[in-house]
Amino acid sequence: QQQVKQSPQSLIVQKGGISIINCAYENTAFDYFPWYQQFPGKGPALLIAIRPDVSEKKEGRFTISFNKSAKQFSLHIMDSQPGDSATYFCAATQYNFNKFYFGSGTKLNVKP
Amino acid sequence: GAVVSQHPSRVICKSGTSVKIECRSLDFQATTMFWYRQFPKKSLMLMATSNEGSKATYEQGVEKDKFLINHASLTLSTLTVTSAHPEDSSFYICSARVSAEAFFGQGTRLTVV
Repeated sequence: QQQVKQSPQSLIVQKGGISIINCAYENTAFDYFPWYQQFPGKGPALLIAIRPDVSEKKEGRFTISFNKSAKQFSLHIMDSQPGDSATYFCAATQYNFNKFYFGSGTKLNVKP
Repeated sequence: GAVVSQHPSRVICKSGTSVKIECRSLDFQATTMFWYRQFPKKSLMLMATSNEGSKATYEQGVEKDKFLINHASLTLSTLTVTSAHPEDSSFYICSARVSAEAFFGQGTRLTVV
């Protein structure tokens, strides 16, 4: 059973637009939800993360919205730039547990 | 953030040979490291969890004898792909966890010819 479901698989956004990527999880024991950005040929890098005690976290142009009752969380990229073009993965884990569960990834293409 | 260094970044080997990939934590000690495999346009597939000083824990379906993992020190874990075949060609990534966060190496592109 897939623990974390991510959509859409791909996304095309115009420069300056808002990119939105959604994830849903199954296990209510998860208590840490990070987002990773991956450029081709590179390892993923942590972008932003949230814990379920808050409904939103913002860092610069990146915002995570978290809905605990719906078991969903999303990444919003404001004022999207061509340099944001990458693959984004959501993940879920338990804070004191080892394993991360990753979504299937979203390839974002921001057109100039 | 913590730095995880993976080497080599690219390797080409002949079918039937073995390849070793190194993963180092540069500024912290990692009792646990993770090895992932990533197919083109796909997500990260956890292969195994590497524990310092003990045997690695492999995920279901991953061949232990083919993908040998050694975690002999708190800063180094290695993945050896033994008797490599073209179907082993892939992008391999290591990761280490510091508190809640996971830090990834740069990845290794393995091509078996």
